[in-house]
Amino acid sequence: AQKVTQAQTEISVVEKEDVTLDCVYETRDTTYYLFWYKQPPSGELVFLIRRNSFDEQNEISGRYSWNFQKSTSSFNFTITASQVVDSAVYFCALRSGSARQLTFGSGTQLTVLP
Amino acid sequence: GAGVSQSPRYKVAKRGQDVALRCDPISGHVSLFWYQQALGQGPEFLTYFQNEAQLDKSGLPSDRFFAERPEGSVSTLKIQRTQQEDSAVYLCASSQWTGTYSNQPQHFGDGTRLSIL
Repeated sequence: AQKVTQAQTEISVVEKEDVTLDCVYETRDTTYYLFWYKQPPSGELVFLIRRNSFDEQNEISGRYSWNFQKSTSSFNFTITASQVVDSAVYFCALRSGSARQLTFGSGTQLTVLP
Repeated sequence: GAGVSQSPRYKVAKRGQDVALRCDPISGHVSLFWYQQALGQGPEFLTYFQNEAQLDKSGLPSDRFFAERPEGSVSTLKIQRTQQEDSAVYLCASSQWTGTYSNQPQHFGDGTRLSIL
C-alpha cells in the first residue's frame, strides 16, 4: 500500500521568507513518481513539479526547489522569497508502481503574510 | 479547451436525489480520473478511464456511484440516492497516456462542490 504524510497542517510566513514543506512517503515499489500540487482558494489543483524514483538529482526551478532523499523517503519542497500569491494548500502526491492513480497527502495550508 | 472543464461548479441536492457531474478533459488526453475531496483532506481516488474503458473503479465508495465515458472524451459521474456523506468536492483529472510506468502529471479541473441537504 502507498501512503503520503504531510505532518505540517498549517504554516505562516512573512513575505520574502523561504519556506519548506515536508513530505514523507511509503511504498514497496522500486519505481514510483512524486508530485507537488498547489490548490488555491479557487479549488483547481495546479501541477508544480515531479520527480522519478530513479533520479535523485535535486533541482531548482525559479523560486521552487525540491529535495528528494530516498534514504529517508522524503520529498521536501522549498519556496524561496515567498510571495502573498503563494498562499494556498500544497499537496504532495505519489504514483507508485503500476498504479495509475495518485495517492495524496492531507495537504499543508501555507499563508504568506504581507 | 485549454484545461479540464467541470460542470456544474456547485450542486445542491436533497438527500435521496440523483446527481450527475460532468467532466470535459483536455483534448487528446487518453486518461481520465475522478477523485473525491472531503473538507480539509487530500483528494481520494474514485475511478480511472483509459479512452472509453473503465479500467479501475476500486475507489467508488458504493454501488450508488457510477461513472461513464462512452466516447472516450467527456465523462459523467453519477450518484444515485444521494446521502449526506456524499457531500464533497469531486475533482476530475486528465493526462496523456498513462502507461504502466509513466511520469505524466495529471491536470485537474476546478471541481464540483456537492452539498447534500
